[in-house]
Amino acid sequence: GENVEQHPSTLSVQEGDSAVIKCTYSDSASNYFPWYKQELGKRPQLIIDIRSNVGEKKDQRIAVTLNKTAKHFSLHITETQPEDSAVYFCAATGDMRFGAGTRLTVKP
Amino acid sequence: DTGVSQNPRHKITKRGQNVTFRCDPISEHNRLYWYRQTLGQGPEFLTYFQNEAQLEKSRLLSDRFSAERPKGSFSTLEIQRTEQGDSAMYLCASSSSTNTEAFFGQGTRLTVV
Repeated sequence: GENVEQHPSTLSVQEGDSAVIKCTYSDSASNYFPWYKQELGKRPQLIIDIRSNVGEKKDQRIAVTLNKTAKHFSLHITETQPEDSAVYFCAATGDMRFGAGTRLTVKP
Repeated sequence: DTGVSQNPRHKITKRGQNVTFRCDPISEHNRLYWYRQTLGQGPEFLTYFQNEAQLEKSRLLSDRFSAERPKGSFSTLEIQRTEQGDSAMYLCASSSSTNTEAFFGQGTRLTVV
């Protein structure tokens, strides 16, 4: 199956700063890359995804970039807010294996 | 049915007992995934189904673990002879096909005492 590695494992930023989380994958045939956010005690929920036919996708303060050649993709959160504090997971198709997660803390 | 449903929400069992969890996916979803999650970690892939076919099973899934999806709708995950190390949150997710959003259930928290 797909092997997904995620970095960093923890990330602390000041409110208003940007946060970047990176994932690498092993299977060059993977073509769908979602990002999930999990708040404490809640289920993971999709926040953004990208397919391999595009290099970047934005949704308000969140963006994802994909480099198929290097087999990595990144989540970018701009103008971070305290409510962005959560654990973020990346995944790669087709069997939805997740990275180990990044705990993001946004300090007010 | 507006989401993925898992039952029970919590299960406390004695070491050595068998437990079974149920997952009801979103009705038109043909993909179903099982994960195990411990505190602060990402969901560990256990297995997934395309309709009733179990397509892949993680090496993490020892022979004490078995999953079924007999009619391509709900799924069960059974753990035999539970051990304390099995204590975790067991998450189920479903999606309509590959390359689409997976929706998660609220999980079953297992505590083995």
